[in-house]
Amino acid sequence: GESVGLHLPTLSVQEGDNSIINCAYSNSASDYFIWYKQESGKGPQFIIDIRSNMDKRQGQRVTVLLNKTVKHLSLQIAATQPGDSAVYFCAEKSQEGSQGNLIFGKGTKLSVKP
Amino acid sequence: GAVVSQHPSWVICKSGTSVKIECRSLDFQATTMFWYRQFPKQSLMLMATSNEGSKATYEQGVEKDKFLINHASLTLSTLTVTSAHPEDSSFYICSAPDPLAGVNEQFFGPGTRLTVL
Repeated sequence: GESVGLHLPTLSVQEGDNSIINCAYSNSASDYFIWYKQESGKGPQFIIDIRSNMDKRQGQRVTVLLNKTVKHLSLQIAATQPGDSAVYFCAEKSQEGSQGNLIFGKGTKLSVKP
Repeated sequence: GAVVSQHPSWVICKSGTSVKIECRSLDFQATTMFWYRQFPKQSLMLMATSNEGSKATYEQGVEKDKFLINHASLTLSTLTVTSAHPEDSSFYICSAPDPLAGVNEQFFGPGTRLTVL
């Protein structure tokens, strides 16, 4: 299930199940969104991105859904594996195509039980 | 993909001392690099944008005289935490977009853990 801790929501799933991680973004002008995976003590790793002119994009075992109406982004991980355990951040960027900075969401900790 | 390195990976220092953290783009040139700070169980917060050959731009609330940024070459940006105090203890992460990879994607360094005693 999903719980909200002091700072970081946690999602606990069984190995092999599908995971859905949600993110609400703040800026309606944002036109590019990215999901990052961060393992403990490491920098963020790129997972998948989506532009605002799309509502769905699929990668290997991952799917990102974008709902601009309610400013909501989700990351779906199929057949979750123990190696997927990490903190997942969504990030938004305005001025897609520029070298502008990213604004990160709060993050969700995914724990995969074997 | 492009690789960004940071040095050191961790550092422990006494209160009042200065600490320099390096961020290097190993296989691409970066005219812009970003410095983030991350406290435990929290998200990444942008501190400043480092611009090669010009002054860095700082986010609101970040003291430019305390966090000195130098971007002297197209592959190196440094962040110096001056007169560090325990509240500066954090995980510092840099990132850089690789124009050849598409400017949207940013490549992150592995981070530097700073502990101020």
